[in-house]
Amino acid sequence: RKEVEQDPGPFNVPEGATVAFNCTYSNSASQSFFWYRQDCRKEPKLLMSVYSSGNEDGRFTAQLNRASQYISLLIRDSKLSDSATYLCVVNGASGGSYIPTFGRGTSLIVHP
Amino acid sequence: DTGVSQDPRHKITKRGQNVTFRCDPISEHNRLYWYRQTLGQGPEFLTYFQNEAQLEKSRLLSDRFSAERPKGSFSTLEIQRTEQGDSAMYLCASSRNDRGPRETQYFGPGTRLLVL
Repeated sequence: RKEVEQDPGPFNVPEGATVAFNCTYSNSASQSFFWYRQDCRKEPKLLMSVYSSGNEDGRFTAQLNRASQYISLLIRDSKLSDSATYLCVVNGASGGSYIPTFGRGTSLIVHP
Repeated sequence: DTGVSQDPRHKITKRGQNVTFRCDPISEHNRLYWYRQTLGQGPEFLTYFQNEAQLEKSRLLSDRFSAERPKGSFSTLEIQRTEQGDSAMYLCASSRNDRGPRETQYFGPGTRLLVL
């Protein structure tokens, strides 16, 4: 089983739709969780951190479920500019260091 | 521009040659990370530094890969005797470790390597 798993998609949705992505992780000792966004042939950029209580930033909501070991990202009122790959990142402790593990990413295509 | 920079942006080399990539982190960041990303995959962690100390290098892909950060500022990643399977995007990221596991990494634009 991979350490961090994501459905690669693509998710193809119309403008204005609500779309949700899940990401599962295998290391129960994982410390922190993030969603990054990566545009085609560009570097990843932090979208948001994920907290146990859930957090919201405008149209984006992230949730963490430690018991089931998954995190989610909800995008409401999708815009054309939301088209990108969304990467789930899990930080796990390893010998005093925090090793970030990325999922393979979920591709989102928002069409008119 | 005060972001993470990487040089070169593109590198084409022949199999068997050595290549070296450079990363300049954000100036106040003491942590620096190297990743490899292949098509359709997320970035794969290779190694990281805190100041000049290399704290984790067990994930380097083989003994052909090495990284340095001699003065705790810029870093280099070297691949010796390149193979076609080394063709990928090599990403560098930096962060400040003042937030424990919640530190935010900022990525550079990457170096795209093609081994012929």
